[in-house]
Amino acid sequence: QKEVEQDPGPLSVPEGAIVSLNCTYSNSAFQYFMWYRQYSRKGPELLMYTYSSGNKEDGRFTAQVDKSSKYISLFIRDSQPSDSATYLCAMTKRNDYKLSFGAGTTVTVRA
Amino acid sequence: NAGVTQTPKFRILKIGQSMTLQCTQDMNHNYMYWYRQDPGMGLKLIYYSVGAGITDKGEVPNGYNVSRSTTEDFPLRLELAAPSQTSVYFCASSSTGEVSEQYFGPGTRLTVT
Repeated sequence: QKEVEQDPGPLSVPEGAIVSLNCTYSNSAFQYFMWYRQYSRKGPELLMYTYSSGNKEDGRFTAQVDKSSKYISLFIRDSQPSDSATYLCAMTKRNDYKLSFGAGTTVTVRA
Repeated sequence: NAGVTQTPKFRILKIGQSMTLQCTQDMNHNYMYWYRQDPGMGLKLIYYSVGAGITDKGEVPNGYNVSRSTTEDFPLRLELAAPSQTSVYFCASSSTGEVSEQYFGPGTRLTVT
């Protein structure tokens, strides 16, 4: 069993739709949860991170963590064609700088 | 404001050849990492370093070597290239601290034939 599971998609949505992405994990020691965005032929860049359980909102993006279910989500509201990218979840334990990544979900927002 | 730079951008190697992938960061980060990314597989950690002179193996180190003689540079060496090493390689760096964003370079696309 992989430590972090993420459906690779691909996911195609019309402009303005809500995009819902999620990851599950098996290691209960994970405390920090991140979402990276990777445009085609570019390196990943950090989009959001949350600590432990709860929600975090940043503009059109909302990250949720449910540690009891070992499940994290990223929602993109009012999606735009510029949101077309691969989204990777990543997580790490407290005082650990090494990240465990999901496989990434490729999202296409159609104009 | 260069961040993390990687050279070359693309490379084609023949089986058995060797090469060094270069990585440099100008953010004075102590931590540096090498990942490989294969389609549908996410990022796998090859090697990492917590400072000059200190390196350690990640998840998939076989067939690779690293060195870290300065804070800025973290080259990755491939000896006796094999087709299984065809991948996109990313270098990243981060500062110390409890939650530290990893900054990634643009990647090197390597094909071994």
